[in-house]
Amino acid sequence: NAGVTQTPKFRILKIGQSMTLQCTQDMNHNYMYWYRQDPGMGLKLIYYSVGAGITDKGEVPNGYNVSRSTTEDFPLRLELAAPSQTSVYFCASSDRGGANVLTFGAGSRLTVL
Amino acid sequence: KNEVEQSPQNLTAQEGEFITINCSYSVGISALHWLQQHPGGGIVSLFMLSSGKKKHGRLIATINIQEKHSSLHITASHPRDSAVYICAVDPGTYKYIFGTGTRLKVLA
Repeated sequence: NAGVTQTPKFRILKIGQSMTLQCTQDMNHNYMYWYRQDPGMGLKLIYYSVGAGITDKGEVPNGYNVSRSTTEDFPLRLELAAPSQTSVYFCASSDRGGANVLTFGAGSRLTVL
Repeated sequence: KNEVEQSPQNLTAQEGEFITINCSYSVGISALHWLQQHPGGGIVSLFMLSSGKKKHGRLIATINIQEKHSSLHITASHPRDSAVYICAVDPGTYKYIFGTGTRLKVLA
């Protein structure tokens, strides 16, 4: 099992550019999450999804968008990148209600200059 | 006040020492996770607890639901245990609540 796969691992963007962070899981988990991690801070929830076609905002959704067309994929779109979006992004998935496994991707380090 | 508090924030130990990291939370939960993050690395789930105690190798995790407290113990610590340890609770909504982590450094 690959678990949760995130791409790219590193990316440098210019202010105003847009990009998509890809996240795919092969564990048939219904719940998927996008977090950002800033130095010295805990994980902050950007968006989450409880199943295909269902998404909702977390604590820090401004400047981001998501979609969930399939159980496996949960891409995060950054529109009009700003320096404040420089961070490490983690995608995670869970089978809450089942074994309650919580699995993270390897992270994507994004720098906006 | 954060809903999930970890202590200590930073911990330095000598190789071989017994280490305890604490997590206290103020909400009702259905489960608690202990996570490990190596410097520059991804986040790995160590344990999921809903009651009692779990052991995996040199790691032991306990939870007291009534006291809203969990501990992660590392026996015979080793430099490779150096990492940030994160407590995350599942309050039964769709969202986990994370502590800010305990940064552990084990010296050879």
